[in-house]
Amino acid sequence: ETGVTQTPRHLVMGMTNKKSLKCEQHLGHNAMYWYKQSAKKPLELMFVYNFKEQTENNSVPSRFSPECPNSSHLFLHLHTLQPEDSALYLCASSQGTSDNEQFFGPGTRLTVL
Amino acid sequence: GEDVEQSLFLSVREGDSSVINCTYTDSSSTYLYWYKQEPGAGLQLLTYIFSNMDMKQDQRLTVLLNKKDKHLSLRIADTQTGDSAIYFCAEFIGGANNLFFGTGTRLTVIP
Repeated sequence: ETGVTQTPRHLVMGMTNKKSLKCEQHLGHNAMYWYKQSAKKPLELMFVYNFKEQTENNSVPSRFSPECPNSSHLFLHLHTLQPEDSALYLCASSQGTSDNEQFFGPGTRLTVL
Repeated sequence: GEDVEQSLFLSVREGDSSVINCTYTDSSSTYLYWYKQEPGAGLQLLTYIFSNMDMKQDQRLTVLLNKKDKHLSLRIADTQTGDSAIYFCAEFIGGANNLFFGTGTRLTVIP
């Protein structure tokens, strides 16, 4: 596979469930990002990892927990989410954090019941 | 702060030109981008312009940048039904090392 892949593409979960979103990049990049895309709002940057180290956490609630075991993989662990967390979650990668060209995955459409 | 604003909707007839506008507030942005998002897909980089340029042309796409007014536009010539998508403007601010996105403009092309 090439580019940035995300699984699952769709996820429906209850507020008490625990689930994880997965992102994988096959571009040899060192930086990876999680964004939240809600209707009629700008994309919100959630987390940034550079060389597996978290370099940014944009005041994201602790019910979202990122994990970056290596430069190619990024996870977003979800626990006790709220209905307002329903959105499209996009993963992106770039060569480095000062590299302005980011490549995006197709996203995971999350619905919290 | 970094506010990037776009109108939410635009409809054009097939064959006409589309112009999608964007305004931003941070004058320290280094690059400005246009991304396209088709239904069910992630964001695809369409084109970008460096902040010291006024115009960039790439086939049917023309990007105009008015740095004084902090206004960016994307013109799509001979718009096709396949151009129907959401178009996001984004600015890269070097000091923050981050991309800041607008709300996106949903372009609908009417056959």
